Amino acid sequence: GNSVTQMEGPVTLSEEAFLTINCTYTATGYPSLFWYVQYPGEGLQLLLKATKADDKGSNKGFEATYRKETTSFHLEKGSVQVSDSAVYFCALSDVRIQGAQKLVFGQGTRLTINP
Amino acid sequence: DADVTQTPRNRITKTGKRIMLECSQTKGHDRMYWYRQDPGLGLRLIYYSFDVKDINKGEISDGYSVSRQAQAKFSLSLESAIPNQTALYFCATSTDTGPEQFFGPGTRLTVL
Repeated sequence: GNSVTQMEGPVTLSEEAFLTINCTYTATGYPSLFWYVQYPGEGLQLLLKATKADDKGSNKGFEATYRKETTSFHLEKGSVQVSDSAVYFCALSDVRIQGAQKLVFGQGTRLTINP
Repeated sequence: DADVTQTPRNRITKTGKRIMLECSQTKGHDRMYWYRQDPGLGLRLIYYSFDVKDINKGEISDGYSVSRQAQAKFSLSLESAIPNQTALYFCATSTDTGPEQFFGPGTRLTVL
């Protein structure tokens, strides 16, 4: 079945460092791909998305490119801030059931940014 | 603001008790979902509903039941809670067309 594998956490960086969180997927067809972020004590918020191969999603300085050839959707940010500390989830849309648009999530990566 | 709300936010209960978690939304979305989050496992789908007459099991529905009382309300019940149902529970909504989902703040449930 469809699945998402994320980089093991936790990840700890210093402020202004470059961030990469790896995400690879297994899927039939052409799913949409997402990054969600969960700040402490809150629900998940959509950070960015890409709906087809070679699309680049971007938001708040974060970027991810839908790479069909490597089945990847790695999250990057050039200069992280303390406020980026959160748990990040990679997800894909699973459309195997007719009419369904369920999401399949990775296990999450906890990111801590130190000042 | 259109929103997804969950009550209660925190709940501690004992083994064997019946528990109901409630979700309400003002987004006007037809589709609603219940997930549980466990450390290191991401989110797993418990039940989902495409409208008030359509309820479907997700990947981990055993031990849970749901009720879609109205377009805006979707409740999750644990008929007889057990300790391994201790988790963070999220409700989410989506439109009929887009796969992206909008999440509530979560309910932290502890079963002793």
